[in-house]
Amino acid sequence: EADIYQTPRYLVIGTGKKITLECSQTMGHDKMYWYQQDPGMELHLIHYSYGVNSTEKGDLSSESTVSRIRTEHFPLTLESARPSHTSQYLCASKGQGSLTEAFFGQGTRLTVV
Amino acid sequence: GNSVTQMEGPVTLSEEAFLTINCTYTATGYPSLFWYVQYPGEGLQLLLKATKADDKGSNKGFEATYRKETTSFHLEKGSVQVSDSAVYFCALSTYGGSQGNLIFGKGTKLSVKP
Repeated sequence: EADIYQTPRYLVIGTGKKITLECSQTMGHDKMYWYQQDPGMELHLIHYSYGVNSTEKGDLSSESTVSRIRTEHFPLTLESARPSHTSQYLCASKGQGSLTEAFFGQGTRLTVV
Repeated sequence: GNSVTQMEGPVTLSEEAFLTINCTYTATGYPSLFWYVQYPGEGLQLLLKATKADDKGSNKGFEATYRKETTSFHLEKGSVQVSDSAVYFCALSTYGGSQGNLIFGKGTKLSVKP
């Protein structure tokens, strides 16, 4: 069982609201990732982190922001939600080195109305 | 740069049919290779992995062999079941590079009919 958790699982929110998607892992992994998954299933990397106080933007431009103040916690924030932000968001973590696999949370399905 | 290309879906098979999902990669150095599976409404979970050339990863009847000479890591299963219906992602992990050293293919949706 992977020890990485995302909350909420589902969220319906109005346009203009500020939201934070939570992601926590108990495996002590330094690397953490946020992906946006479109209906065609492709994963788009929007943010990643190599450790505390490290955050990088991924290959898909996103209006969201992230922070990494603690190793186990990697929240994603949208200051002003829009319908275009409606998507599935997946969080993952990974240990050091190329031999280790990534572990994924169950995802947050966000709908902005 | 590093990249993963996997066959496009959707793939529809009858139960007990043979499955192949092709995956090829481009990478500098010696990546590790992975197959992940995503069941409906869930996150991704590791299906199998191989960390060096000629390694064979296997799990739940699925197999894939790390072929350095053809830069491939094709997923196979001899007899699929309805419960195998899911989306399958090929991925690689490297030392260094961009995107957190983790690259995914676009995913292949598999539907197995009874």
